[in-house]
Amino acid sequence: DAGVIQSPRHEVTEMGQEVTLRCKPISGHDYLFWYRQTMMRGLELLIYFNNNVPIDDSGMPEDRFSAKMPNASFSTLKIQPSEPRDSAVYFCASSPSTDTQYFGPGTRLTVL
Amino acid sequence: AQSVSQHNHHVILSEAASLELGCNYSYGGTVNLFWYVQYPGQHLQLLLKYFSGDPLVKGIKGFEAEFIKSKFSFNLRKPSVQWSDTAEYFCAVKRGDNTDKLIFGTGTRLQVFP
Repeated sequence: DAGVIQSPRHEVTEMGQEVTLRCKPISGHDYLFWYRQTMMRGLELLIYFNNNVPIDDSGMPEDRFSAKMPNASFSTLKIQPSEPRDSAVYFCASSPSTDTQYFGPGTRLTVL
Repeated sequence: AQSVSQHNHHVILSEAASLELGCNYSYGGTVNLFWYVQYPGQHLQLLLKYFSGDPLVKGIKGFEAEFIKSKFSFNLRKPSVQWSDTAEYFCAVKRGDNTDKLIFGTGTRLQVFP
């Protein structure tokens, strides 16, 4: 199995631009999680899905952030408009039922 | 609110030294416990996990952790570290009451010098 796949690996954009991060979970995993990692705040859960349905989005910082999971093999995290404080590494993770989460390689986002 | 504390933010050791990283959590019910490792520039990988049974759990690369329920702790240990263990280590807790969310500690950065 290829593991969790994320794209792009690096994204540099200017403030105000729309950013879309993509994730392909491991096939057969029912759960998908989006995390943000920063030096100041550590690893934060933003939102997670079960069977493509958003279960808990209480970690989404504000309305500029949105996430979708149109099918079992694809999810997006969108930031519109982006701000410099959104600069972070964004991880996607998937898991079968409620067991171990498997993390993707992350997307390093820099907003200038 | 449930929280996970890792009191050691930065640990520096020489090769062959013993390692113990602390992890405490605040939830009083049944928990599932995890240690993840993040090598420089890489994603998080599972080191070991505890769900039930023997409270002494052995993971990959010679790591082990002990669940002490009375102390709400799940400390990570390794008897002899190597330079390749240089990484950031995260403790994570999931409540056993059918909650899906993992709560992560802030991480401990380990540097091992040859």
